[in-house]
Amino acid sequence: DSGVTQTPKHLITATGQRVTLRCSPRSGDLSVYWYQQSLDQGLQFLIQYYNGEERAKGNILERFSAQQFPDLHSELNLSSLELGDSALYFCASSVDTTNEKLFFGSGTQLSVL
Amino acid sequence: GESVGLHLPTLSVQEGDNSIINCAYSNSASDYFIWYKQESGKGPQFIIDIRSNMDKRQGQRVTVLLNKTVKHLSLQIAATQPGDSAVYFCAENFSGGYQKVTFGTGTKLQVIP
Repeated sequence: DSGVTQTPKHLITATGQRVTLRCSPRSGDLSVYWYQQSLDQGLQFLIQYYNGEERAKGNILERFSAQQFPDLHSELNLSSLELGDSALYFCASSVDTTNEKLFFGSGTQLSVL
Repeated sequence: GESVGLHLPTLSVQEGDNSIINCAYSNSASDYFIWYKQESGKGPQFIIDIRSNMDKRQGQRVTVLLNKTVKHLSLQIAATQPGDSAVYFCAENFSGGYQKVTFGTGTKLQVIP
């Protein structure tokens, strides 16, 4: 158990809908990262937050947004969903912003039908 | 831009043999490298890391080698076991900034009993 909690584990929705994925980092970790993993693909970095502030942005679509709350949990919002958004979404956390030793959650499997 | 890639997408190894997974990176400024293991249905799990001031680092049954001259990273697993079957990702990071951790596409290791 990495100590990173993601909910829900599975999410099935329809095109055009909006969903929210939730992540609780390890106790003491201030940085949260979101990654997308499509079938047979690597981990694509989406966005990073540190202590409530956005710190780095990857190839995140404009339809996607995220935030980190004062209690350090984070939410990834995906809107106007398309079939191609179906993927595993991972949250990871680390102590600080140096991106060292990321601890990953078990992921949320999103299926857009 | 920066990228991390793997030479072999799939590697089949006989149980008990040693495994070698290779990785090439392109950002010469990267100074921290990590190997992750991802088992089916789980998030990536940290295995071992190495900083650019080292050429070799050993863990339990695993060794990471870094060749900065040719920007090459490898993960050696001794006496490969069925539980080692997973996808292995290498990742690079430049600790001097907010650069995101960049993951390679992964190598699937299949251990033949």
